[in-house]
Amino acid sequence: GAVVSQHPSRVICKSGTSVKIECRSLDFQATTMFWYRQFPKQSLMLMATSNEGSKATYEQGVEKDKFLINHASLTLSTLTVTSAHPEDSSFYICSASSQGYEQYFGPGTRLTVT
Amino acid sequence: AQSVSQHNHHVILSEAASLELGCNYSYGGTVNLFWYVQYPGQHLQLLLKYFSGDPLVKGIKGFEAEFIKSKFSFNLRKPSVQWSDTAEYFCAVGNNAGNMLTFGGGTRLMVKP
Repeated sequence: GAVVSQHPSRVICKSGTSVKIECRSLDFQATTMFWYRQFPKQSLMLMATSNEGSKATYEQGVEKDKFLINHASLTLSTLTVTSAHPEDSSFYICSASSQGYEQYFGPGTRLTVT
Repeated sequence: AQSVSQHNHHVILSEAASLELGCNYSYGGTVNLFWYVQYPGQHLQLLLKYFSGDPLVKGIKGFEAEFIKSKFSFNLRKPSVQWSDTAEYFCAVGNNAGNMLTFGGGTRLMVKP
């Protein structure tokens, strides 16, 4: 159990366009979802935390207007990278939690902005 | 604020060697501790976790970790590694308020066959 999926797994977009990444909890209801960013050979950095039906809480230094997070249901959260630039190229990972202390991670989405 | 430090960035071992990866954390309150593994091209998987109780925690695939409160440490160990253990290992600390995780920098383990 506790499977989290992400779609797409890879996306290439042109500079200035927007990209939406979906995160789904497949077999449980996720009251909280987290979005991380992982640069090559580095650790995961938390970008934001979202609770279903509430506005996301962003970590310091993360632009909320650039990284739009929506958590409209207990099984789906989306991250939209608006007006993407090459420096936004990274590996984006979501995780989901259900009123517990354990997070279940998705497989990640590799974003390349050209 | 909580922080996690993994001192070994790269470790290279031969098969059957013993493994110990260091993890130290700083946090003022009660902590939950985790070790995750990320195999090449795959997503993060939970190896083991500590919330309370016995400080020696056993996880999957023969891994274990020991929580030493006085040293603020949660080192990961395996008595005999295999080539398939080649991966990146992340230590993480969660606060007691509700599953906020802070990750260490990761340790890249390579096991030579």
